[in-house]
This record gives sequence, structure tokens and C-alpha cells, in this order.
Amino acid sequence: AAGVIQSPRHLIKEKRETATLKCYPIPRHDTVYWYQQGPGQDPQFLISFYEKMQSDKGSIPDRFSAQQFSDYHSELNMSSLELGDSALYFCASSLGPPIEREKETQYFGPGTRLLVL
Amino acid sequence: TQLLEQSPQFLSIQEGENLTVYCNSSSVFSSLQWYRQEPGEGPVLLVTVVTGGEVKKLKRLTFQFGDARKDSSLHITAAQPGDTGLYLCAGGGGYGGSQGNLIFGKGTKLSVKP
Repeated sequence: AAGVIQSPRHLIKEKRETATLKCYPIPRHDTVYWYQQGPGQDPQFLISFYEKMQSDKGSIPDRFSAQQFSDYHSELNMSSLELGDSALYFCASSLGPPIEREKETQYFGPGTRLLVL
Repeated sequence: TQLLEQSPQFLSIQEGENLTVYCNSSSVFSSLQWYRQEPGEGPVLLVTVVTGGEVKKLKRLTFQFGDARKDSSLHITAAQPGDTGLYLCAGGGGYGGSQGNLIFGKGTKLSVKP
């Protein structure tokens, strides 16, 4: 079965540079979530989109922005990178709006490992 | 304060033993999901429970959602070395105004020795 695709899988950037992470949800999934996972930490929610509109916002820094496109893929744009942004970034997708319990199951991608030097 | 308290944080057992991992909260969740995560990889879904009191079985794994939808447990019978990994519980929907994002527990790192 098709899974969530994330690219790139690994990314190395310098401080103050920008980065763009991409996420392609499972076909027919219209909701996308972004999470950040630091070393030894549990995933922390950043932001989510349903039908190309932002549906919820978590602990996403103002330096980060994201959007969902007409084909439902999403991009997380990160600017003025800091050392503390080094982490695993996961995208997850689900079927249907996030308020329908039966469709809340989120399927995670393999993640993008970002290292800021 | 962690919204979802997962215990134990670490568990080391011998092959063939049984174990239970607990996930507790003071908040009600509309669903609870259990994941298994390998180092450097994305969480892989094991099960979703949505109904209070629901019990789901996945081979040697039994998942239960509390009647009040505030807690859940994962029971593994006759653990095998292949069960070694990080198990995460995550609560979804309807709490504190948030609609769909998951709140994760800190995880249980399980080691099963042959």
C-alpha cells in the first residue's frame, strides 16, 4: 500500500539558511500534519492542513511557514535556521477532516532528518 | 506537564514474558493510537481505538481503551526479541480546543532479551 512520502530524507544546512521539506500524503488523504521530534523526545505537533486550509497550529516558530497545495501535498518552509531546529520532521496524513473520529488515524512518513550546523 | 503519561519509560524483560504498557491522562480523547517507532524512522501505526471500553487484538498484542476514554493499555503476551522497540501512545481530537493533532506520550522503550 502507498505510504506517506517525505523528501528529502536528510538535509544539512548552515545557521541562518532556509530549508523546504516536502510531504506527499497517502492517496485520497486530504489532511496533513507536521511534527517535530528532537533527540530522545516525543513528536511535537507543528501545524496541520485540511483541504488546503490551515486547520490547527501548534508550537510552530514564526520563522516556519507551511502550506498545502491543490494536489494535497504540503511543504514546510523554514527560514533563519537555528541550531535548535536540528530534529526529525515528520509528516502524517489522515482521511477526512480532523473532527471525524473514525478518520483520525494518522499515518506517518519516514521523516526528514535536518541537521543545522 | 505531559498531557499523556506513559509508563513504564523503560522495560527490559526475557523472551516469553508478558508485559503491559499504560497510557493515562486526565483528559478525554476521542481516539487513541498506538505506534511503534524504530530509531530514525517514522512511527508505524499499530492500532486506533475510538470507543470507550474497546479491546483490539493484533496477534500477541492486546489494546484496551478505558471506559472514560482517558486511558489505554497495551499488553504483549509471550514477548519475543522482535518486539524490541519504542512504543508510543498518542491521543487525538477534541481536547483543549485542538481538533486533530496528536498528543504523544513519552514512549516506552522495550527490550526483549533472548
